[in-house]
Amino acid sequence: DTEVTQTPKHLVMGMTNKKSLKCEQHMGHRAMYWYKQKAKKPPELMFVYSYEKLSINESVPSRFSPECPNSSLLNLHLHALQPEDSALYLCASSQGLLGNRARPQHFGDGTRLSIL
Amino acid sequence: DAKTTQPNSMESNEEEPVHLPCNHSTISGTDYIHWYRQLPSQGPEYVIHGLTSNVNNRMASLAIAEDRKSSTLILHRATLRDAAVYYCILRDVGTQGGSEKLVFGKGTKLTVNP
Repeated sequence: DTEVTQTPKHLVMGMTNKKSLKCEQHMGHRAMYWYKQKAKKPPELMFVYSYEKLSINESVPSRFSPECPNSSLLNLHLHALQPEDSALYLCASSQGLLGNRARPQHFGDGTRLSIL
Repeated sequence: DAKTTQPNSMESNEEEPVHLPCNHSTISGTDYIHWYRQLPSQGPEYVIHGLTSNVNNRMASLAIAEDRKSSTLILHRATLRDAAVYYCILRDVGTQGGSEKLVFGKGTKLTVNP
């Protein structure tokens, strides 16, 4: 069982819907990440939060809106998505980005998103 | 980001050792070598990392060439549960924000035969 919990596991939504993906960790990690993974491709970084502040946005379209309400939670708000946004969305966390920068990331098992 | 090159696929037999190679000829002095694996229908899982010296943990060993231009992940006795895509990733810890990124390459798909 993974220590990073993502909900829901599967989501089907229309292009006009608004939905949110949720990620939770209770390891005391202070850095959290969103990745997108298309079928048979490697994960691609979308956003990084460090100490609840957005530190990296990899030029992600504004229809994806991240939110970090506290150190344990990370949300990804979705609005007006396109069919090409169908993918596995992975959340990860790590101890933090100060000090030892080589600390590993812990991943959840993802939310499989399908856009109709 | 420094690039890594891995074979697309490898096969092994159960209970035999597996050596997964990774080339990173443009590695810089502040790049750590990380390995992750992704089992089917799961998120990536950290395996091991190192800078210059060989490293061992309960999952695997990491052998790093003296010039650091290549490394090898060693699974000492492959099991069916080791069938996964293995990613070799360089993480730059020398620049502000650099290590925040994990840039995944295509990885090596390992098949383990019973």
